[in-house]
Amino acid sequence: DADVTQTPRNRITKTGKRIMLECSQTKGHDRMYWYRQDPGLGLRLIYYSFDVKDINKGEISDGYSVSRQAQAKFSLSLESAIPNQTALYFCATSDTLAGETGELFFGEGSRLTVL
Amino acid sequence: DAKTTQPNSMESNEEEPVHLPCNHSTISGTDYIHWYRQLPSQGPEYVIHGLTSNVNNRMASLAIAEDRKSSTLILHRATLRDAAVYYCIRPDSGNTPLVFGKGTRLSVIA
Repeated sequence: DADVTQTPRNRITKTGKRIMLECSQTKGHDRMYWYRQDPGLGLRLIYYSFDVKDINKGEISDGYSVSRQAQAKFSLSLESAIPNQTALYFCATSDTLAGETGELFFGEGSRLTVL
Repeated sequence: DAKTTQPNSMESNEEEPVHLPCNHSTISGTDYIHWYRQLPSQGPEYVIHGLTSNVNNRMASLAIAEDRKSSTLILHRATLRDAAVYYCIRPDSGNTPLVFGKGTRLSVIA
């Protein structure tokens, strides 16, 4: 089984629909992240959580919300999806390295298409 | 702001060494340099990280300049499976998430 599991792997939805992407990890890490990838733009950070009670906005949080249900679970929601949220979404986890972000472990990605 | 500068793309012949450069001129004394790569249709994967001295692991070597303003990821013998986007990353500041830039797309020619 994968260390970081994302569901669904693929989703097609319509504008205005609410969508939730789920992420679960078996690494036992406190830190979890949601990144978005668009062609040619690398990965951009949406939200991150350093522990269950900690939620922080990343560089592109508008239009998204998150929930850290447990140490192992971190979900990303699009309350009202719009076409420019069509992208590949990655969840990641990490431990710490000398107080900083340690090695990141990524899920396989969730491809979302908003029509 | 990724705070690192990498070439957009590079090309290598199979079984030859590859040197992927990265500039990080504003790095602080305690920031690690991280390298990740993303194979086609996969999530990024960790390659190597270092602080001051050169580092080696089974995947690659990392050579860090003495002034720490640049580093080079070295793949000793490129294979077709090394074709990927390579990201050089340093933390934004202290205890913050890693910010990915656009990376270097490495093509390996048979």
